[in-house]
Amino acid sequence: DAKTTQPNSMESNEEEPVHLPCNHSTISGTDYIHWYRQLPSQGPEYVIHGLTSNVNNRMASLAIAEDRKSSTLILHRATLRDAAVYYCAVDQTGANNLFFGTGTRLTVIP
Amino acid sequence: SQTIHQWPATLVQPVGSPLSLECTVEGTSNPNLYWYRQAAGRGLQLLFYSVGIGQISSEVPQNLSASRPQDRQFILSSKKLLLSDSGFYLCAWSEGREQYFGPGTRLTVT
Repeated sequence: DAKTTQPNSMESNEEEPVHLPCNHSTISGTDYIHWYRQLPSQGPEYVIHGLTSNVNNRMASLAIAEDRKSSTLILHRATLRDAAVYYCAVDQTGANNLFFGTGTRLTVIP
Repeated sequence: SQTIHQWPATLVQPVGSPLSLECTVEGTSNPNLYWYRQAAGRGLQLLFYSVGIGQISSEVPQNLSASRPQDRQFILSSKKLLLSDSGFYLCAWSEGREQYFGPGTRLTVT
């Protein structure tokens, strides 16, 4: 199974950009990269996904390395509401079965 | 709009007792359905997924089972709970690449 590796925790000052890294060195050519975030005692919330090209949506941007072995979730201006655990996941089987990493706990400092 | 329900929200069960957790989705047809487990302080582990009524695939061998008796109903069961079954159980649905998670059931096995 493909693994994803993320730092356990990161901190950011409010209103500054945040770059959350993820390594997925065993990813296959057709595997999508997904990001979700989770607040305490809640289900995860979809953030963004991509295959090869960088992606942007209203929540974040996803930068995918050219060799696809790593990706970075970019929050352009961190707010206190962005404090959460961010999970990087790989869709391995083509049936949208996600294999999650252990996540990065993001702390936003006012 | 689509909504996903899980119940109960919390559950305390003794070792050796049976388990039944229910998940229902509204506002969509023939979704993919998923059961995940999150142990305390850990990431999400995919347990089962279903692409249609009666079609269940298991990702992790264990004493849990899943069933999909109706298109938008997904049930997680166990005949005899173990202490290691404690955790936060999440149901999710998808039509495309994005997965939408329910509020979860926190299960404590004593």
